[in-house]
Amino acid sequence: ETGVTQSPTHLIKTRGQQVTLRCSSQSGHNTVSWYQQALGQGPQFIFQYYREEENGRGNFPPRFSGLQFPNYSSELNVNALELDDSALYLCASSPGPQYGYTFGSGTRLTVV
Amino acid sequence: QKEVEQNSGPLSVPEGAIASLNCTYSDRGSQSFFWYRQYSGKSPELIMFIYSNGDKEDGRFTAQLNKASQYVSLLIRDSQPSDSATYLCAVIFTGRRALTFGSGTRLQVQP
Repeated sequence: ETGVTQSPTHLIKTRGQQVTLRCSSQSGHNTVSWYQQALGQGPQFIFQYYREEENGRGNFPPRFSGLQFPNYSSELNVNALELDDSALYLCASSPGPQYGYTFGSGTRLTVV
Repeated sequence: QKEVEQNSGPLSVPEGAIASLNCTYSDRGSQSFFWYRQYSGKSPELIMFIYSNGDKEDGRFTAQLNKASQYVSLLIRDSQPSDSATYLCAVIFTGRRALTFGSGTRLQVQP
């Protein structure tokens, strides 16, 4: 049973809309990362937060933004949704990167 | 461009056989390597991590790392149909904190 929970599990949005995805990570896991996984591909790194500060970002445009809160929760915001944003969005947390990351069950986003 | 390469498969092995999954990576200075298993429609699950050259065993799983060849592999002994999944290799590259994943290898264990 994962200690990382994500909501919602599924979401359908219209192109141009905005979406907020939420994640609650395990206590003591100060690092949280967000990934996008398209069908048949490995997860692609979006960005990472450590103690509420962004400390790494992948090759995603600024319309992908995030926040991490003191209670180990975080969120991913995507503005101006495009059809290609349809994917599984994964949140992962870690007490330290050398220990690997624990993934949540993901949010399946469909943009129509 | 820092990359992780995996054969997409499918790799098909009979039940009870050894499945060998391979991964190469582009950054010679990388220090941390991970294997995740992902069942269809589910999220990745950490199987093993390895940092030092050589073998690391955990039950039926053995991870092998060769930093000189920039190669990491996962052996699954006594493969079971329940091992059928996509196996993702992930690396933390030098100067980065997040995981870089390969595209995964789909394993099919035939009963």
